[in-house]
Amino acid sequence: AQTVTQSQPEMSVQEAETVTLSCTYDTSENNYYLFWYKQPPSRQMILVIRQEAYKQQNATENRFSVNFQKAAKSFSLKISDSQLGDTAMYFCAFTLTWDNFNKFYFGSGTKLNVKP
Amino acid sequence: DTEVTQTPKHLVMGMTNKKSLKCEQHMGHRAMYWYKQKAKKPPELMFVYSYEKLSINESVPSRFSPECPNSSLLNLHLHALQPEDSALYLCASSQDLGQGHQPQHFGDGTRLSIL
Repeated sequence: AQTVTQSQPEMSVQEAETVTLSCTYDTSENNYYLFWYKQPPSRQMILVIRQEAYKQQNATENRFSVNFQKAAKSFSLKISDSQLGDTAMYFCAFTLTWDNFNKFYFGSGTKLNVKP
Repeated sequence: DTEVTQTPKHLVMGMTNKKSLKCEQHMGHRAMYWYKQKAKKPPELMFVYSYEKLSINESVPSRFSPECPNSSLLNLHLHALQPEDSALYLCASSQDLGQGHQPQHFGDGTRLSIL
């Protein structure tokens, strides 16, 4: 079975500070892709960052970076210089490389509040 | 601006009504998805279409009927819904199936309320 766990239901951070959202997952597969999506109050799910499991180098996307620890099955998201627009629900997810249907396995989400 | 357009944004309907949700994308994607999302929960997959054919039905009740008239359009026909069907319904698309690395692009969703 494939599972994703986000242990922090809600977090707060001051504007301009750095925050890390945690995510652990469980799969017996070796080849997969990991994603972080954000869902602001506007409701649209927006891709934040993507990581290939076969790559050791951590993905970065501007102020967003991940700490991918494959052995520990951990995929945390670090947001630097937090902005008010980062306030959103953040979902961690993964897909299996061999999955012909590109099915996403989502975590339960972390609500991030960025305070001015 | 979202590249996946969903209409309507809000829908209120009675349990005996028939309505449809619409989703449209013009990115040339060949895979399209319907999700149901309850408040403060992750999206739950309902249906997957690939090349206009239904590939996955996650044991969704028959009161939800998907339709893919062409590669750009995805509809969800609703009939005799229950109050517990009230949720945000998200549509998504991806370039193709068969390659698990492809991100899904989501629309803004339709907020559905069943009276």
